[in-house]
Amino acid sequence: QLVVTQSPSASASLGASVKLTCTLSSEHRTYAIAWHQQRPEKGPRFLMKLNNDGSHNKGDGIPDRFSGSSSGAERYLIISSLQSEDEADYYCQTWATGSWVFGGGTKLTVL
Amino acid sequence: EVQLVESGGGLVQPGGSLRLSCEASGFMFSSYAMSWVRQAPGKGLEWVSGISGGVSTTHYADSVKGRFTISRDNSKNTVYLQMNSLRAEDTAVYYCAKEGVRYSIPGYFDYWGQGTVVTVSS
Repeated sequence: QLVVTQSPSASASLGASVKLTCTLSSEHRTYAIAWHQQRPEKGPRFLMKLNNDGSHNKGDGIPDRFSGSSSGAERYLIISSLQSEDEADYYCQTWATGSWVFGGGTKLTVL
Repeated sequence: EVQLVESGGGLVQPGGSLRLSCEASGFMFSSYAMSWVRQAPGKGLEWVSGISGGVSTTHYADSVKGRFTISRDNSKNTVYLQMNSLRAEDTAVYYCAKEGVRYSIPGYFDYWGQGTVVTVSS
């Protein structure tokens, strides 16, 4: 069964960097994912598609501060030079025939 | 500019029905699969249903199979979600989402609507 797992919460200081992790079920370790940001009381916003090899395609207007990388079954979202507006929920999403799957989301707090 | 505008949400009694609409603009609508994703209060995102762009192949989450029907009218650039036999656990914000790659299903979502609220309560 295709499953993606995220830590429920993370925190980092203003101006620092943070690395959020999305873990795929082991048999699906080669799958690509997408990262989405959801600010409080807003709809989700696509950040990037992240491939198994770490290559990624970002959405329109996504700042260079957002990047992605991959290692085995783990997919990372790296946010550098954290700003207050980055405080949000971050969801990873993947897909297989006939279904789309979301992780539980990580709530990022900017201190 | 891609825009997705949902409508049709509201308050409905358990067992009732509701039809959501999502009007799209800014891209070749018929070339892209579309999905509905929901978010219950205080919870994460849950994919509900998806439909391909051309021959309209449909897919459903187990939680809504047999109760919800997705459809699209490419002449109106609109995707619909007919929701029947509604339950309290269907209460959520319902988002429309566009597939990121033409003629591809399933895949990643690259644009989202602002959502429409569905409340199932007596």
